[in-house]
Amino acid sequence: KAGVTQTPRYLIKTRGQQVTLSCSPISGHRSVSWYQQTPGQGLQFLFEYFSETQRNKGNFPGRFSGRQFSNSRSEMNVSTLELGDSALYLCASRSGTSDNEQFFGPGTRLTVL
Amino acid sequence: AQSVTQLDSQVPVFEEASVELRCNYSSSVSVYLFWYVQYPNQGLQLLLKYLSGSTLVKGINGFEAEFNKSQTSFHLRKPSVHISDTAEYFCAVTRMDSSYKLIFGSGTRLLVRP
Repeated sequence: KAGVTQTPRYLIKTRGQQVTLSCSPISGHRSVSWYQQTPGQGLQFLFEYFSETQRNKGNFPGRFSGRQFSNSRSEMNVSTLELGDSALYLCASRSGTSDNEQFFGPGTRLTVL
Repeated sequence: AQSVTQLDSQVPVFEEASVELRCNYSSSVSVYLFWYVQYPNQGLQLLLKYLSGSTLVKGINGFEAEFNKSQTSFHLRKPSVHISDTAEYFCAVTRMDSSYKLIFGSGTRLLVRP
């Protein structure tokens, strides 16, 4: 069974631009969560989608948004990029039932110049 | 709210030595506990998890952890480390009623020297 895939792996943008990151969960998994990893703040929960609905959101500004498609693939969008948005963005998938284990993708490294 | 504390930011050890990475958590509700490992330029890989039952949990790559409810700790141990164990290790918790949201500690970098 293929693991979680994230595209692109690396991205360079400039301040003020917007960016879209993509995540394909493990086949059959219905829950996708996003995390931001930075040296200063560590790993922080962004949001979780289940069956195309956002179920919970972390403490991030409205510039961070996401969506999930009917095939469970998820996208995350960041608008009006700031230097502080430079981070590794990790996607995790979960079956969404009683399973509590999250499987992580390799991440997308975003650099904002 | 839940929080996780990893007191050691870096732990240097020699190859074949034993190691313990410390993790303490705080929560007013019952939680699940996890240890993840992150190798350079990679995502997170689950080492082991505690859900219920025996407080000694065995994971992959020879790692084990012990859940201590009274001390709210979940320390990770390995009796003999290898160079390939050099990585960042993260302790994490989730509420039992909302296991989609992992709360992570700040991480411990394990540096194994020959």
